[in-house]
Amino acid sequence: QVTLKESGPALVRPAETLTLTCSFSGFSLTTSGMCVSWIRQPPGKPLEWLALIDFHDDKYYTPSLETRLTISKDTSEDQVVLTMTNIDPMDTATYYCARVVGGVYAFDHWGQGLLITVSS
Amino acid sequence: DIQLTPSPSFLSASVGDRVTISCRASQGIPSFLAWYQQKPGKAPQLLIYGASTLQSGVPSRFSGSGSGTDFTLTISSLQPEDFATYYCQQLNSYFMWTFGPGTKVEIK
Repeated sequence: QVTLKESGPALVRPAETLTLTCSFSGFSLTTSGMCVSWIRQPPGKPLEWLALIDFHDDKYYTPSLETRLTISKDTSEDQVVLTMTNIDPMDTATYYCARVVGGVYAFDHWGQGLLITVSS
Repeated sequence: DIQLTPSPSFLSASVGDRVTISCRASQGIPSFLAWYQQKPGKAPQLLIYGASTLQSGVPSRFSGSGSGTDFTLTISSLQPEDFATYYCQQLNSYFMWTFGPGTKVEIK
């Protein structure tokens, strides 16, 4: 059974760095074709893709946020970490991690989401 | 950047209706087009990938079609549990992912 779960602080101060962890089970990021991605959704707004890391450790970022994002993986711990620098209240959103399998090229399993509020 | 435009953005329908939601891309894209259903307070659920392949476990009343710039999600007979927001999503050749703004389906 594939599961993913996001963890991190619920409240972040402006200008700080946000670190989010996706802990997953039921698959391995060392398996060919496997990827984990981060997606966010501000309250009442659509989904926004942020970043993706694949089994080969290749990394992809949404262009508008690329300078602020870093995605990494710890295959021994089955975790993917996303850091976002210089946090702003506009970054308030529910952050999801999700799995992609090569051949499907869609987000087939999602975490439950984590609401991050940016406020002083 | 490729933009995805759903049509309509809001839909009011009754149980049993046949519902069609369109997603138009600003330029032709490979058929890495997916559809998701999202209910309030929940994570999205994958319905369709590759424009027309039904994800395992998804009811057969959902179907997808299209290619190039025009894609469609059809619900053959709307059920009470189908009232939700539906998002299209595409993957381009640079491995960049884009979601459309969504179509909200509400009870008439």
